[in-house]
Parts: sequence; structure tokens; C-alpha cells
Amino acid sequence: EVQLVETGGGLIQPGGSLRLSCAASGFTVSSSYMTWVRQAPGKGLEWVSLIQRGGDTSYADSVKGRFTISRDNSKNTLYLQMNSLRAEDTAVYYCASPGGGGTWRFDNWGQGALVTVSS
Amino acid sequence: QSALTQPPSASGSPGQSVTISCTGTSSDVGGYNSVSWYQQHPGKAPKLMIYEVTKRPSGVPDRFSGSKSGNTASLTVSGLQAEDEADYYCSSYAGSNRCVFGTGTKVTVL
Repeated sequence: EVQLVETGGGLIQPGGSLRLSCAASGFTVSSSYMTWVRQAPGKGLEWVSLIQRGGDTSYADSVKGRFTISRDNSKNTLYLQMNSLRAEDTAVYYCASPGGGGTWRFDNWGQGALVTVSS
Repeated sequence: QSALTQPPSASGSPGQSVTISCTGTSSDVGGYNSVSWYQQHPGKAPKLMIYEVTKRPSGVPDRFSGSKSGNTASLTVSGLQAEDEADYYCSSYAGSNRCVFGTGTKVTVL
């Protein structure tokens, strides 16, 4: 059974940094693409970043240059390093992975990690 | 990277059908067959209902169907049931290895 567990959320001051982790089980993170999606309180879903199987990365314009997606194959874990955090980055952050063939399908989701950026 | 446009709300009585639209541009919805639909209940993670415009993942009832015409994709829920009451989001590949989500639609079962 595939499971994704996010950790690392919390309260952080504007301008600060935080790293989210997404521990995977039931599959290998390096075997497929994985993504981060966020949801501000009471708002809709927003795609944040993706890492391809080959390691290529991509970002939403809203986080480009501030966030970095990466993975540690030995720990089977996906990361999101968030720097220069702003109030508008406050959201629940989900990691997600595909459940089969096809493109840009995210079948498996974690429970989410809440990041609050506030002074 | 503007969000895809969805109606804020939709509703139907049990047993009826409801269709949700998702309007983008030729750079996302109209340009690729990578439109997905997600269902989200309050306080829960999203659930994939449709991918690649029309395909259903294993375990998703065939009451859920997807289609696309030009720059607009649609999700139809037939035979509405109480448990279908949720928020629904479309998403589309938007080129350059990026994705964009829709604004979301709250479906109410009357």
C-alpha cells in the first residue's frame, strides 16, 4: 500500500526558511515523478513544484527562486525547501505521486502539513 | 499561470446529473490531453477522479465521466449521491513541466 507522510510544518516568521519532508512507503520515490501542491486556508488548490523521475525540476512562478524540490533516494523521501517565506505562502502543503501509467495524474496524497507564515 | 476557471457552485438532487466546466486556454486545457479532476471533502486530501480527460482510476465509480471540447473540459457526475457532495478541482498540464489547477466548484446534493 502506498503511503505518503508529510512532516516539517509549523509557524515561521516572514523571511524565514522551512523544510518539508514527505516520507514514502509502498513505492520508490525515484521511480516516478512527484509533486507538491498547496492550499491556503479556505482557498483552492495551487500547484507548487514537481520533480521528474530523471531529476528535472519545475516550479510555479509564485515560488520560483525561493523554493527547491529534491529527494533522497536512500531515505525514500521527497523534500521542499522553502526560503524567503511570505505571508501568502501560508497553506497546507501536500505531496502527491501517480498511481499508474499516464501523465500528470496524482492518485496518492499525503495528509498535508500546515505552514503558517506570521510574525 | 492563471488558474483555470470553474463555476463556484453546482447542485442537483439525488439521482440527477451535474456537470462542472473548467475553462482554460490553448496553452493548457486546449493544448494537451492531460486534464485531471479531483474531489475533496472538508479537511481531507484531494482524491483523483479522472485523468487524461476521460480515464477513471481503479475504484472510481463510472458515474463520474470527463470530456473536453476546445479550451473547456467538463466533469459529469451522474446519479448524484449524498457522498458526492464535495469540492471539485480540475487541473491541466500547462507546458514546460508545469501544472495549473482550477478555481474549484462546490457541489451540493439537495
